[in-house]
Amino acid sequence: GIQVEQSPPDLILQEGANSTLRCNFSDSVNNLQWFHQNPWGQLINLFYIPSGTKQNGRLSATTVATERYSLLYISSSQTTDSGVYFCAVEPYTGTASKLTFGTGTRLQVTL
Amino acid sequence: GAGVSQSPSNKVTEKGKDVELRCDPISGHTALYWYRQSLGQGLEFLIYFQGNSAPDKSGLPSDRFSAERTGGSVSTLTIQRTQQEDSAVYLCASSFNRGDLHFGNGTRLTVT
Repeated sequence: GIQVEQSPPDLILQEGANSTLRCNFSDSVNNLQWFHQNPWGQLINLFYIPSGTKQNGRLSATTVATERYSLLYISSSQTTDSGVYFCAVEPYTGTASKLTFGTGTRLQVTL
Repeated sequence: GAGVSQSPSNKVTEKGKDVELRCDPISGHTALYWYRQSLGQGLEFLIYFQGNSAPDKSGLPSDRFSAERTGGSVSTLTIQRTQQEDSAVYLCASSFNRGDLHFGNGTRLTVT
């Protein structure tokens, strides 16, 4: 099946710093989404981004489908950004198939 | 509108008992997933329903696990003869086709 690797596995930032999280995948994809899991365990969808660039406030994401990676940018980080960031991909096939999650990047933002 | 609803939020059961976990997806969503997450770990895929297609059961860890989705809406995940290694948070998610995936708050299962 498709392999999804995220880096770095852990990241500690001071409040106000910027960061880039990376998601590499092994095959062409139909679907790629980024999620944030907060310290209470809730998973929130951040972006649906199988290709191109999107921005939402301090967060933006870029997927370069031909090179099989996606980047999540966090600018001016805040303590509320802490948690685990997951990317999930659906391989390109003839029919809809499941989303496979990466192992995540654990982010801690300190004061 | 309402999000994905899971019940119960917590379940403590004795080893060997059967449990049923329920998921009410967002109305109109065609896709429904079950994932499992152990403490501090990633999301382990269990099963995927998409419309009227046959479900993808490739992630179910053993034949003690089964799931059904009735009327294209509510789903129940059943674990028979629970074992301690089944303890985890069970997460349900739904989407409209390949759209944004929305998660419920999960059911925390503890097998004693």
